[in-house]
Amino acid sequence: EPEVTQTPSHQVTQMGQEVILRCVPISNHLYFYWYRQILGQKVEFLVSFYNNEISEKSEIFDDQFSVERPDGSNFTLKIRSTKLEDSAMYFCASSWWSSGVGAEQYFGPGTRLTVT
Amino acid sequence: SQQGEEDPQALSIQEGENATMNCSYKTSINNLQWYRQNSGRGLVHLILIRSNEREKHSGRLRVTLDTSKKSSSLLITASRAADTASYFCATSPTSGTYKYIFGTGTRLKVLA
Repeated sequence: EPEVTQTPSHQVTQMGQEVILRCVPISNHLYFYWYRQILGQKVEFLVSFYNNEISEKSEIFDDQFSVERPDGSNFTLKIRSTKLEDSAMYFCASSWWSSGVGAEQYFGPGTRLTVT
Repeated sequence: SQQGEEDPQALSIQEGENATMNCSYKTSINNLQWYRQNSGRGLVHLILIRSNEREKHSGRLRVTLDTSKKSSSLLITASRAADTASYFCATSPTSGTYKYIFGTGTRLKVLA
């Protein structure tokens, strides 16, 4: 069964460093998303991406964050200068069409980011 | 209450018993999904139910949706120790957003 994959599974970085989290969405999906979950808290939406552009972003997704689909398979989240509060589990998700018309969003296993 | 609140927050049952978790939300939705998360792991999609549906089944899972009460329930029948996990509902509001809004989750522990 097709699945969303993410690498690395765990990333440790120092405050102020740039990190890139990678995702390979399910191959015939058109919409891509990043969510994050701070330990013990809710899963929060960060950004959605369709047709090579951001379709929606949350207030969390500030100028420190960017997303890119550098080729036909990968979808990346870059955090330019990490802060301690960026420590969280980051989930990539994909769907065939937008959630507004009832598409399931399938999540990857997550990347645990630890900022020290 | 916030969009997507589950209750109870924690539930402990014996293997073989049924587990019922509830989710309430505030705004109109297109659909609602239930996910399972094992400790510190990824989110596993369980069921999606659309706003025009009232009930869906998948194996030992039964989901109901009452849009008039803005609530949903997830029933796991004949629970197993392997069902121990956190369960989240996630709603897709009708406000033209792409995001799903997650609830706070119910931590289910099934005792062998």
